[in-house]
Amino acid sequence: QKEVEQNSGPLSVPEGAIASLNCTYSDRGSQSFFWYRQYSGKSPELIMSIYSNGDKEDGRFTAQLNKASQYVSLLIRDSQPSDSATYLCAVDFNNDMRFGAGTRLTVKP
Amino acid sequence: DAGVTQSPTHLIKTRGQQVTLRCSPISGHKSVSWYQQVLGQGPQFIFQYYEKEERGRGNFPDRFSARQFPNYSSELNVNALLLGDSALYLCASSSDRAPGELFFGEGSRLTVL
Repeated sequence: QKEVEQNSGPLSVPEGAIASLNCTYSDRGSQSFFWYRQYSGKSPELIMSIYSNGDKEDGRFTAQLNKASQYVSLLIRDSQPSDSATYLCAVDFNNDMRFGAGTRLTVKP
Repeated sequence: DAGVTQSPTHLIKTRGQQVTLRCSPISGHKSVSWYQQVLGQGPQFIFQYYEKEERGRGNFPDRFSARQFPNYSSELNVNALLLGDSALYLCASSSDRAPGELFFGEGSRLTVL
């Protein structure tokens, strides 16, 4: 089975705080992992990709991957109200991209 | 540069009808994928095409079909529409350099009455 699990939220954080989004997946052989952001009424937008164990940083975003635990996370530092969106975790199961249901994040001013 | 374009943006059909959705990828992208997204869920994988060949198929019935043309544009066809086919249909393209990094179009919102 190819499954991607996320906490549906909603997750609410104050402006300036760190938002932590988590995702687990079912296939230990998966090699490619992605985080997408989806604003209400819009299509998903890629914000991070990660392929190796460890951390990958891009501006205020850090993706973390632990293949042994089949776990990938996204940290958003200095959260802004404009970060309020649904965050989708995606895992590539050999040309079969599976998305989690998404975590809705609200950043309160 | 133009992003992924999809048409139509909105359409209404009745049960039993057929629908064709169209997608033009980002210039230079040879891979096109189709996804179905219903409210409150993540996108569900339907098809992936690369160089006109089907590379992957999700768990959708045979009423769903797709094809890719020599210019890499793509069509998704759905026959014998059901109420449950009402959804946002997303097309995404990706490059050879980063095949898993998807760029989505704005989607086609299908309503089946």
